[in-house]
Amino acid sequence: AQSVSQHNHHVILSEAASLELGCNYSYGGTVNLFWYVQYPGQHLQLLLKYFSGDPLVKGIKGFEAEFIKSKFSFNLRKPSVQWSDTAEYFCAVTRTYKYIFGTGTRLKVLA
Amino acid sequence: DAMVIQNPRYQVTQFGKPVTLSCSQTLNHNVMYWYQQKSSQAPKLLFHYYDKDFNNEADTPDNFQSRRPNTSFCFLDIRSPGLGDAAMYLCATSRAPTGGSGDTQYFGPGTRLTVL
Repeated sequence: AQSVSQHNHHVILSEAASLELGCNYSYGGTVNLFWYVQYPGQHLQLLLKYFSGDPLVKGIKGFEAEFIKSKFSFNLRKPSVQWSDTAEYFCAVTRTYKYIFGTGTRLKVLA
Repeated sequence: DAMVIQNPRYQVTQFGKPVTLSCSQTLNHNVMYWYQQKSSQAPKLLFHYYDKDFNNEADTPDNFQSRRPNTSFCFLDIRSPGLGDAAMYLCATSRAPTGGSGDTQYFGPGTRLTVL
């Protein structure tokens, strides 16, 4: 079955630590890739997206993600996290009209 | 600001009592989606409308229905809620069906449904 895997369900970091959240998908062929963030009590917001071109994608709030086609991966990174990055992060993959979401990673950043 | 609005934010209903959740959008997007998200799980697509065309996911229970009377509004009807239907329900919109054009979905804040 087609799926999206986020390996880290809970991550706890101190401020200024570097972040990498994993995302792997099982689709073949062309895909579009997204990372969304959901801050406590708020709606899902788009962090960044990849459709084509440069596999290193820059998003909002200092986030970036790298698409590695050979590894079916789209990992999210941030060099130095802040307390305000505490949130849940979802990876999503589309092929047609349908988003397939990963199960999410809850990030807690300690001040 | 253009946005996706969901009402109510919290809804409590009784087992078997029909309930309707509302979504409206000011983005003038062609596509509206309904997702169900249970605790610690990924959002799961229930169905979507592309303009007036309704597209049901194969595994969406018959208990869930939807209406889209105009471009701006879309409703989720749960005919006979069971305890297992307690969840967060998310509405999203996009200009076109996500995929080839890589269009982005914009989400509302969700309605948390409790079934007593």
